[in-house]
Amino acid sequence: EAGVAQSPRYKIIEKRQSVAFWCNPISGHATLYWYQQILGQGPKLLIQFQNNGVVDDSQLPKDRFSAERLKGVDSTLKIQPAKLEDSAVYLCASSLDISANTQYFGPGTRLTVL
Amino acid sequence: GDSVTQMEGPVTLSEEAFLTINCTYTATGYPSLFWYVQYPGEGLQLLLKATKADDKGSNKGFEATYRKETTSFHLEKGSVQVSDSAVYFCALSDPGGATNKLIFGTGTLLAVQP
Repeated sequence: EAGVAQSPRYKIIEKRQSVAFWCNPISGHATLYWYQQILGQGPKLLIQFQNNGVVDDSQLPKDRFSAERLKGVDSTLKIQPAKLEDSAVYLCASSLDISANTQYFGPGTRLTVL
Repeated sequence: GDSVTQMEGPVTLSEEAFLTINCTYTATGYPSLFWYVQYPGEGLQLLLKATKADDKGSNKGFEATYRKETTSFHLEKGSVQVSDSAVYFCALSDPGGATNKLIFGTGTLLAVQP
């Protein structure tokens, strides 16, 4: 079974530029999560989807971050414009359903904002 | 709100030494508890989990017991190997909540020397 796929693996941009990350969850998984992991900290949830609907985006900085999962499968997270403090690893995870106990994580995208 | 506190690292051990990484939690409901491991350059992998009080999760020689009375979920291994060197994250989720999102501790870096 293929795992959670993410791209790109690494991205370096200048502040005020825009960037997009892509995630393809495990086939059949209804719930998709985006986490932000700042160096030295644990991952923090940014947004959670159930199929193509948003369940929780309370920690998403909506003035600059956006995310979509239009067909309920893959998802895109965008930052526009980026700030220095957005430098982090962006992790995508999926689970079979919102009540499932196990989330499966992708390899992450490491973003560096200069 | 719910939170997880882990012992700070780094933890440096010699091969075959006994490992304990402490984890305590604060939660209003009845959380599920997890240990995730992150090897260098890789994404998070579920190591073990426990979903109710007194449950013991185990995998690859690692164990952790869900202790409701002390709100703890300490990770242990009897004899560590160099290949166990990684960052370990304790986490909780609330299956009865609206989102079942994971809340992570800050992570503990384990370095095992030959």
